[in-house]
Amino acid sequence: DQQVKQNSPSLSVQEGRISILNCDYTNSMFDYFLWYKKYPAEGPTFLISISSIKDKNEDGRFTVFLNKSAKHLSLHIVPSQPGDSAVYFCAASDGGGYGGSQGNLIFGKGTKLSVKP
Amino acid sequence: EPEVTQTPSHQVTQMGQEVILRCVPISNHLYFYWYRQILGQKVEFLVSFYNNEISEKSEIFDDQFSVERPDGSNFTLKIRSTKLEDSAMYFCASSGFSNQPQHFGDGTRLSIL
Repeated sequence: DQQVKQNSPSLSVQEGRISILNCDYTNSMFDYFLWYKKYPAEGPTFLISISSIKDKNEDGRFTVFLNKSAKHLSLHIVPSQPGDSAVYFCAASDGGGYGGSQGNLIFGKGTKLSVKP
Repeated sequence: EPEVTQTPSHQVTQMGQEVILRCVPISNHLYFYWYRQILGQKVEFLVSFYNNEISEKSEIFDDQFSVERPDGSNFTLKIRSTKLEDSAMYFCASSGFSNQPQHFGDGTRLSIL
């Protein structure tokens, strides 16, 4: 049951160029989406999120785009830096958590990004 | 920047033994979570905790599992009688009020022998 799919297990990009990481989802009830970055032996680190009422959210070099009709979101990193090399996870929530919380997160399998100098 | 801290970083336990994984969430957060990641697989939700009670749990979180917030700072996950398939990275996370992102600790690697 893959409600959140990251179909590219890996991506290699040259330093300074744009990295585009993609994520698809199947559950139309998802209304909050997040991207996390993970280095080996560390926990996921929150990068950026987007609510379903928006189609774009930007934070510095990171921009997340949401296309609800296609059930697709993407993370753009520009310019890419060698320190961005990590595994990137897409996660989604239906916001149905108790007490108004975002509820549990459903994660994709991750995309390993390698940024080459 | 405030962090979620987890101890120990690695726990090795004999099958059938009880294990307690500990977490200190970010101090002003209200929502607490446990996730796990079996090697090579996705990060999976286990349980969420709010207002001193479980608010949601997955199918994985059976009677062998329990969570507790014994004091104002710690949040623990107990596995009563460990099985080989419990071997995984266990991540604790916490979030503030409503639609704020969850912040994760660095995890505890649990190895069941």
